Amino acid sequence: QSALTQPASVSGSPGQSITISCTGTNSDVGGYNYVSWYQQHPAKAPKLMIHDVTKRPSGVSNRFSGSKSGNTASLTISGLQTGDEADYYCSSYTSSTAWVFGGGTKLTVL
Amino acid sequence: EVQLLESGGGLVQPGGSLRLSCVASGFTFSSYAMSWVRQAPGKGLEWVSVISDSGGTTFYADSVKGRFVISRDNSKKTLYLQMNSLRVEDTAVYYCAKVDYDIYAMDVWGQGTTVTVSS
Repeated sequence: QSALTQPASVSGSPGQSITISCTGTNSDVGGYNYVSWYQQHPAKAPKLMIHDVTKRPSGVSNRFSGSKSGNTASLTISGLQTGDEADYYCSSYTSSTAWVFGGGTKLTVL
Repeated sequence: EVQLLESGGGLVQPGGSLRLSCVASGFTFSSYAMSWVRQAPGKGLEWVSVISDSGGTTFYADSVKGRFVISRDNSKKTLYLQMNSLRVEDTAVYYCAKVDYDIYAMDVWGQGTTVTVSS
């Protein structure tokens, strides 16, 4: 049950775009189109931002987008805003454990 | 409004037991699978367990298998996590989450309850 691999941190300036990667295996990211992304502000509960690799729940800004190639999924945030500063976690349904999360990426908006 | 409210956290000694509860409101509880996810201090999210809408099917992370038991009472709209043989490494904020199998994601989360395992 190894966690998915994410960069520990990324940063960008307001208005710029950033991309966070999430690498798994054929048993999770590569095997299912069930990758989701969560945003977590300090001391708050996670919030679902992307599901089914590319789809946004109602109410989530279209500045957030997702994609996948092979065993790596990505979250792109365009037009960075200070309120986007948070931790971001990817997650995938898996063949063995039901779900697995990435280690998390801290986004800093400079 | 869709809400999940966890309770039952606290300080417990290694080897002890604790039962967490999560009360749901604002949606048809009995129609959805439910999950527990935890977050150790300063660490990332870790999926713990999931239970089907009827309660008949459960899955656990290897780290808690044989020690934790997930259950639910649909008449009370309540999810439970019975934690036995607790270890220091079980110290974390425990979140309950609504699982939507139409999107294979956890779309509603509670605010979390803190479990501290320490002597």
